[in-house]
Amino acid sequence: GAGVSQSPRYKVAKRGQDVALRCDPISGHVSLFWYQQALGQGPEFLTYFQNEAQLDKSGLPSDRFFAERPEGSVSTLKIQRTQQEDSAVYLCASSLRQAFSDGYTFGSGTRLTVV
Amino acid sequence: AQTVTQSQPEMSVQEAETVTLSCTYDTSESNYYLFWYKQPPSRQMILVIRQEAYKQQNATENRFSVNFQKAAKSFSLKISDSQLGDTAMYFCAFTRDGWGKLQFGAGTQVVVTP
Repeated sequence: GAGVSQSPRYKVAKRGQDVALRCDPISGHVSLFWYQQALGQGPEFLTYFQNEAQLDKSGLPSDRFFAERPEGSVSTLKIQRTQQEDSAVYLCASSLRQAFSDGYTFGSGTRLTVV
Repeated sequence: AQTVTQSQPEMSVQEAETVTLSCTYDTSESNYYLFWYKQPPSRQMILVIRQEAYKQQNATENRFSVNFQKAAKSFSLKISDSQLGDTAMYFCAFTRDGWGKLQFGAGTQVVVTP
């Protein structure tokens, strides 16, 4: 596609519910990142994929967070047993190659509200 | 560890005027990249300008320019001839050479008034 697509754009979840957030990167982009952006803050790194391999998941806040990219294209970020502190915008970004110098393209994010 | 600090929560500027946003960072790396991103209400992060640490020349993109002071670990953004469409959150970000995990500052809200 022309850009990075994320869905849903908004998600309201009851506390304890599981959610799945989707990222569809630009076709052919090797690198894919997930970031979490709390209200009024800058994005914080969650995890990184190179093709289907998850090379860094050091930013995932707890074992309730899980990300996958099984075929090296679409990625899903899953949050189990959501809690109020999970409320944030979740941003996805992709890049053509591993090297950063190619630059990133960000999606418009999913705003998750846990009530 | 790296940290990125933006000390100005909000800046207001009139149309056609100039505004400068500050950013400082802390790293022990010798080679790295610095960026300014714009985030309008649509939430999509848009790259404004980037600077490679080994390049001494300050980057410029149309009305946007940076003042990169490597020794002082400072990376300010100047927006010249401000336009209403420049109203957005602006984030300073850092990545070391490699696969490019970004570390962001807390952001500065820029409001351009007529």
